[in-house]
Amino acid sequence: NAGVTQTPKFQVLKTGQSMTLQCAQDMNHEYMSWYRQDPGMGLRLIHYSVGAGITDQGEVPNGYNVSRSTTEDFPLRLLSAAPSQTSVYFCATKGAGVFEQYFGPGTRLTVT
Amino acid sequence: AQRVTQPEKLLSVFKGAPVELKCNYSYSGSPELFWYVQYSRQRLQLLLRHISRESIKGFTADLNKGETSFHLKKPFAQEEDSAMYYCALRDGSFQKLVFGTGTRLLVSP
Repeated sequence: NAGVTQTPKFQVLKTGQSMTLQCAQDMNHEYMSWYRQDPGMGLRLIHYSVGAGITDQGEVPNGYNVSRSTTEDFPLRLLSAAPSQTSVYFCATKGAGVFEQYFGPGTRLTVT
Repeated sequence: AQRVTQPEKLLSVFKGAPVELKCNYSYSGSPELFWYVQYSRQRLQLLLRHISRESIKGFTADLNKGETSFHLKKPFAQEEDSAMYYCALRDGSFQKLVFGTGTRLLVSP
């Protein structure tokens, strides 16, 4: 059981570039979410999904897109990276009837 | 609106001293409150939740609905407790977690 995995671990982008942060889980959890972690601001929810084919916006969705075609994967897309998107990104999952969210190891993204 | 407030960015104590990490919340319904912890170079993980009323690694937290607080306490801090601590709230109807800004606990020898 790998749990929640995220790739890449580190990424440097130039302003305007696009990229996809990958999140995969092997726990058959229905709920998946993306957070960004910034100093002094804690974790803020970007997008979340309650199941395959269903996504919704969180607190800070602008500049990010998501899709959920399978239970296992929940990629986060940056269409045109901006320096304000420099952050550490965490993916989290939760199973039905379970109270705990399981977090991935994070992706540290720098946009120059 | 749901909101979680952690007023201290940094809490520095000596080993063996008592610790209290403050958390206040704003929510009109019946919230579920959690404490998550992130040790250095490790992923965020659940420490405890208010419903369980349990003690994990010597930490306890009591939900005070009158004061809308969920402070995390430990009577005798250890160096290995040094970490980032996040208080979080979950609406019982939804899956989303709302996090506070976090408190870094530094326990010195």
